[in-house]
Amino acid sequence: GAVVSQHPSRVICKSGTSVKIECRSLDFQATTMFWYRQFPKQSLMLMATSNEGSKATYEQGVEKDKFLINHASLTLSTLTVTSAHPEDSSFYICSASPPGRGGAKNIQYFGAGTRLSVL
Amino acid sequence: AQTVTQSQPEMSVQEAETVTLSCTYDTSESDYYLFWYKQPPSRQMILVIRQEAYKQQNATENRFSVNFQKAAKSFSLKISDSQLGDAAMYFCAYRGYNSGGSNYKLTFGKGTLLTVNP
Repeated sequence: GAVVSQHPSRVICKSGTSVKIECRSLDFQATTMFWYRQFPKQSLMLMATSNEGSKATYEQGVEKDKFLINHASLTLSTLTVTSAHPEDSSFYICSASPPGRGGAKNIQYFGAGTRLSVL
Repeated sequence: AQTVTQSQPEMSVQEAETVTLSCTYDTSESDYYLFWYKQPPSRQMILVIRQEAYKQQNATENRFSVNFQKAAKSFSLKISDSQLGDAAMYFCAYRGYNSGGSNYKLTFGKGTLLTVNP
């Protein structure tokens, strides 16, 4: 299957600092990537859809100025948590689907996730 | 809006036995995709199996198979010959058929935590 790389896997930061998380599609180009947040023992909550070359589409209730998304190339999307606070501590996961026709296009491949801890 | 319901927060099975995880969904679309993802303790999401709604035949992947009942909007996952490595959180997910942008997004159920007893 396709490979999605997410970095870093774990980050600990002080309250008030900003943290950037990278999501890369390693063997395909992705015009669309997705960012999820997951609390312990809960499901994945879609935060936003990252669109290459245009603004991200945020889900209702997600603060655009808090969670900045940049999709500058066909293989890279970044999520920046600005002025992080302890309540932003969570597990963040990205995903992407290979383009083109065929079955692979309909499958989302996930990064390994980033555990963010804000002190 | 589409919704996905997994009514079993936790399930357990004996090693080598069979277990079925249930999933129901609500949609007004006629074409869509359904998925089962597995999330082990590492938290890496792994695709287990997928089903296209326009296909009547139930999908099968080795020990994993689904019972897709389109009229009932039901999509259960059967795991045969359960192994210790099958222990994980299992999520059922729905995706609309139309391509492009946010139409690719997945709607997840709340998950079922599967324990495999030796």
